[in-house]
Amino acid sequence: GAGVSQSPSNKVTEKGKDVELRCDPISGHTALYWYRQSLGQGLEFLIYFQGNSAPDKSGLPSDRFSAERTGGSVSTLTIQRTQQEDSAVYLCASSLFINEQYFGPGTRLTVT
Amino acid sequence: KQEVTQIPAALSVPEGENLVLNCSFTDSAIYNLQWFRQDPGKGLTSLLLIQSSQREQTSGRLNASLDKSSGRSTLYIAASQPGDSATYLCAVNGGSNYKLTFGKGTLLTVNP
Repeated sequence: GAGVSQSPSNKVTEKGKDVELRCDPISGHTALYWYRQSLGQGLEFLIYFQGNSAPDKSGLPSDRFSAERTGGSVSTLTIQRTQQEDSAVYLCASSLFINEQYFGPGTRLTVT
Repeated sequence: KQEVTQIPAALSVPEGENLVLNCSFTDSAIYNLQWFRQDPGKGLTSLLLIQSSQREQTSGRLNASLDKSSGRSTLYIAASQPGDSATYLCAVNGGSNYKLTFGKGTLLTVNP
């Protein structure tokens, strides 16, 4: 079946603009995760969804970052007023409960 | 706070050699451990998942072991091939918050 998909694959934006990143998890997976991969920090957890609720938002770096999930499926990560330090690859993963996490190809965000 | 360390950071071997990648973690209260492979500019591909109650998992030429009490896991790759060249990441799931905590990875180069 289809894996996790993310769009766009690449996004270049100007500092101060808002961006939306989309994740389509594997059908039927109850849990969805966002991670960020940057050169200096490695892979960092951002937020976790179980169904449509987010019990763990502990990794969101600032209040400029928000995420939602609708219909227990698609998720959108929104970054407002982007800064250069937001440049990174944003990875989405999904799993069936606490189980093996499957990752999408990522969205490479460049803030100029 | 869980910390994951991978040694070595980089490894270069001739084709056909057997090799071991090491992963250590500071908090032994884990739910499971996952090994991933990442090719340049790509997302993460799950290789093996070991539940906390298991000692090892095998898939083809790959064998992963887990010693939870000592906070260690190894990934053994038999008869390495140039196509195995990639970054290998170890990640632990603490269970209670579902997120994965990643090591920095081992960059493997298999020379023909």
